[in-house]
Amino acid sequence: DQQVKQNSPSLSVQEGRISILNCDYTNSMFDYFLWYKKYPAEGPTFLISISSIKDKNEDGRFTVFLNKSAKHLSLHIVPSQPGDSAVYFCAAKRGGSQGNLIFGKGTKLSVKP
Amino acid sequence: NAGVMQNPRHLVRRRGQEARLRCSPMKGHSHVYWYRQLPEEGLKFMVYLQKENIIDESGMPKERFSAEFPKEGPSILRIQQVVRGDSAAYFCASSASGEGSGYTFGSGTRLTVV
Repeated sequence: DQQVKQNSPSLSVQEGRISILNCDYTNSMFDYFLWYKKYPAEGPTFLISISSIKDKNEDGRFTVFLNKSAKHLSLHIVPSQPGDSAVYFCAAKRGGSQGNLIFGKGTKLSVKP
Repeated sequence: NAGVMQNPRHLVRRRGQEARLRCSPMKGHSHVYWYRQLPEEGLKFMVYLQKENIIDESGMPKERFSAEFPKEGPSILRIQQVVRGDSAAYFCASSASGEGSGYTFGSGTRLTVV
């Protein structure tokens, strides 16, 4: 049973345009959501997070939106750059759990010059 | 300030051998987490440790797998009698607290069982 789902295995975007990566979850006990970026042969790198009490968090070119009623979150990257090409993982943490993150399968983003 | 250090980067073992994966957390971090990534999958939580204590091992297979984080030295993930299905990338992360939001991941150990 997959509690965090990233239904698009891949996404291709033109440089300068917006990239939108989506993530759905099933567990209403999740209280914190994170996005990680991963290059081949490297570990995941933290990008941005959002608490369940908020609906938006912005950090430079990256914005995460949370729709609790739909159990959906999205990561917007604007403008997209070729260096953004990587696999993006959505992760969630259950309230009260100590650091155990539930990851989606990832979306591979390709930003074309 | 070195990040999370994992070694070896690549490890090849024959079926039935033991695999030992090491993780040195970032300086000042006392919480360590191990995750496994199978091909085409996301990262799956295995175990969460603090110095000399296992806090949560709910993701750890019941047999052949063990983890420790001694008072001195790195955290060790040990897999006994490896099988082909153990082939995966094993990632270690560390944090200063157990909240999960301040993880830093290492570059991983790629285990191949032949």
